[in-house]
Parts: sequence; structure tokens; C-alpha cells
Amino acid sequence: EAGVTQFPSHSVIEKGQTVTLRCDPISGHDNLYWYRRVMGKEIKFLLHFVKESKQDESGMPNNRFLAERTGGTYSTLKVQPAELEDSGVYFCASSLFEDTEAFFGQGTRLTVV
Amino acid sequence: AQSVTQLGSHVSVSEGALVLLRCNYSSSVPPYLFWYVQYPNQGLQLLLKYTTGATLVKGINGFEAEFKKSETSFHLTKPSAHMSDAAEYFCAVSVTGTASKLTFGTGTRLQVTL
Repeated sequence: EAGVTQFPSHSVIEKGQTVTLRCDPISGHDNLYWYRRVMGKEIKFLLHFVKESKQDESGMPNNRFLAERTGGTYSTLKVQPAELEDSGVYFCASSLFEDTEAFFGQGTRLTVV
Repeated sequence: AQSVTQLGSHVSVSEGALVLLRCNYSSSVPPYLFWYVQYPNQGLQLLLKYTTGATLVKGINGFEAEFKKSETSFHLTKPSAHMSDAAEYFCAVSVTGTASKLTFGTGTRLQVTL
């Protein structure tokens, strides 16, 4: 069975550009989470989807970040326009139920120059 | 609000030596505690978790951690390090016991030398 898959694995963009990160959760997992790790710091929660609905988006840093999960399958996280401080590793995770183990993807390393 | 402090961003041990990775937490309610590991070029993998009950928790690959409420600690140990244990380890806390809204520490990179 495939795990959580994230695309791309690396992205380098210029300040002011737009980037879209994609996460394909494990098939059948209703719960999908986005986390971010800024260089050298802790991994921080961004938001939680249950199916296509945003259950908790309290960790989203500002309105330049837009997460979607159309149809309750894969999710995208768009950053527009990107700023230097958005650089970091973006992790996606999914779980079958909210109280079961979350499986993480490899992460997308975003570098804004 | 919760927070996690991992002492030592880098830890180096010899193969066969004891591994001790420190984690202290702060939580206003009884916490649920987790250790995750990230091997090179892989995602985060759950090593073990404490929810309720027995305070000594055993995980995968020979790791274990003990919840000590009086010390607000959840240190990760392994009696004998193996080269394959080289990775980055993250301690995390949650107030819900679920994968949602985990609060992570800054991570500890474990190096294992011959």
C-alpha cells in the first residue's frame, strides 16, 4: 500500500511567485494534516482536514496560504505570493480516524530566494 | 498551551552505547506524548506514544520512553545503539491524544559512530 506522497520533493522559487504543494494521503484516510518546519525550528501544525472540510486551520500563518482538499482526496497548499520566511519543509500526514496513528509524507522542501 | 523542549540538537554515541534523548514538556492538561523519527529522505515515523496507563512505553526498534509527571519529562532511550539508528528524533505533545495539532520539539539529530 502506498504511503503519503508529497509533490514536489523540492521547490525553489523567487520571492513574489506562487507555489502549490500537493499531498496524496493514504487511500481511505479521511484525516489530512499539514505541518511546516522552518529551518532549525520545531515542526508546527498548520491545519487539519476531515474529508473536504477544514476541521482546524488555526496554524495557518496568514492569508497568503490557501489549503484545499477538493473531493476529500488529495490536498494542495498554495502560497501566493511567497516570501523569504516561507522557506522550510512542509509535511503532510494522514490518518484513518482522528485518534489513530498519523502517517507522514517525506515533506516538500521549499526555498524562497 | 503546550510546549516541548528537546535538550541537545545533536547527540553522538558509539555503536553499542546507551542512547538517551531528552524531552521535557509543558502542558496545562494531562498530556499525550509522542516520539517520531525521521530517517534520511523519509517521512516522520511514529516510534512510540504515551496516552494513559503504564508510564514506561515500548516502541519499535528497541526504543522506549518513560513518562515522569513529576519531572515533566518523556526521555527516549535505547540500551544499545546501532548504526541504523542515525536519524533525527522529534518529541511531540498533544492534548487530544490524536494526530491533530501535535506540538513538536525542535528535534535531536542522533549520530552513531563506530
